Amino acid sequence: QSALTQPASVSGSPGQSITISCTGTSSDIGDYNYVSWYQQHPGKAPKLIIYNVNSRPSGVSNRFSGSKSGNTASLTISGLQADDEADYYCSSYTSIVIFGGGTRLNVL
Amino acid sequence: QLQLQESGSGLVKPSQTLSLTCTVSGGSINSGGYSWSWIRQPPGKGLEWIGYIHHSGSTYYNSSLKSRVTISVDRSENQFSLNLRSVTAADTAVYYCARVAYCGGDCYYYGMDVWGQGTTVTVSS
Repeated sequence: QSALTQPASVSGSPGQSITISCTGTSSDIGDYNYVSWYQQHPGKAPKLIIYNVNSRPSGVSNRFSGSKSGNTASLTISGLQADDEADYYCSSYTSIVIFGGGTRLNVL
Repeated sequence: QLQLQESGSGLVKPSQTLSLTCTVSGGSINSGGYSWSWIRQPPGKGLEWIGYIHHSGSTYYNSSLKSRVTISVDRSENQFSLNLRSVTAADTAVYYCARVAYCGGDCYYYGMDVWGQGTTVTVSS
């Protein structure tokens, strides 16, 4: 089980939109819609922000959205805010769990 | 609301066994058909899934750790545990416990929706 591939970092200015990609294989992301995204602020536990590719848990801002095409899932954050600066991890589930390497979002 | 709290030794000697417990409060570990998972994060690195115990009692582990890991549940104590044998410095990390939730219909897998605050484990002589 290899880690999913994410860019190490992305940057954006307040109010802008950014997209983080997450590439897997035809055996995980490509074959199932069980893609989740987590947000982690420094020194804190991760927080679930997207499940089932594009669904948001109750209480998560609609500025967060997800999508999938082929073997690649994406997380888009619109209307960037300072508090969005954090690490983001994608994850796939196929009875086992695989995380991406994580992406640091810098809000300039 | 449901809360998870990790506990256990923060310092383990190389070759020994790392043992952690996650105590569930604000709800029962027996309810809702949830699974219970362990995840770790080495210093300055990303998340690594260790494994989980399914509500059926089956266990699923990361293939890279499978030979050294055991996850078990003590339903009478509302706890679940992690044992990692033959540790080395590479096992130094923050260890998190988390609840794995499921949803209905085509959704099925919801994700890890409740996390403990994490506990730091250092492997050193």
